[in-house]
Amino acid sequence: GENVEQHPSTLSVQEGDSAVIKCTYSDSASNYFPWYKQELGKGPQLIIDIRSNVGEKKDQRIAVTLNKTAKHFSLHITETQPEDSAVYFCAGHGSSNTGKLIFGQGTTLQVKP
Amino acid sequence: DGGITQSPKYLFRKEGQNVTLSCEQNLNHDAMYWYRQDPGQGLRLIYYSQIVNDFQKGDIAEGYSVSREKKESFPLTVTSAQKNPTAFYLCASSITGGSYTEAFFGQGTRLTVV
Repeated sequence: GENVEQHPSTLSVQEGDSAVIKCTYSDSASNYFPWYKQELGKGPQLIIDIRSNVGEKKDQRIAVTLNKTAKHFSLHITETQPEDSAVYFCAGHGSSNTGKLIFGQGTTLQVKP
Repeated sequence: DGGITQSPKYLFRKEGQNVTLSCEQNLNHDAMYWYRQDPGQGLRLIYYSQIVNDFQKGDIAEGYSVSREKKESFPLTVTSAQKNPTAFYLCASSITGGSYTEAFFGQGTRLTVV
């Protein structure tokens, strides 16, 4: 089945700098890769996603890139702000058509003012 | 407002007792999921249901049980057979159980065994 690895586990940046979180997946048939942001004591919320037929997607300060050949995808946050501080999860969606997501281990991002 | 409601937010249980976590959604979603979150391990799938009266085991189903008698509701029972039940439990739903469908999460229930 699908396995998703996420790095780094913690990331600290200065406000205004960029942050990059990377994930790799094992199932070459996976076709959907969402990113979730989880604030303390809350459930995760989708911030951006990408399908396997697209190499890059942007939404304001957030972008996601996908390399199908290497089976890895990355989240890029530019001009980071203190409110970006949270735990970020990547996920892979296998080809089994069940809707279930396999999550990475999470990255705790701290943006220092 | 549409959304997913989990209750209670905090739950304490004595060892050897079963406890049921509630999850209700008014999004008219067909699929529902239960995840367990432990520090440093991400979210792991316990059970999922693609349609009413049907559900499947996820990766860590041992010691848990679910039912899906109504489209809106997907309660999770943590039984005494679960060896390490203290965790943060998240319920989610999606429009369908197919590909490319966004999962919407509840606020979670933190279960502590005392």
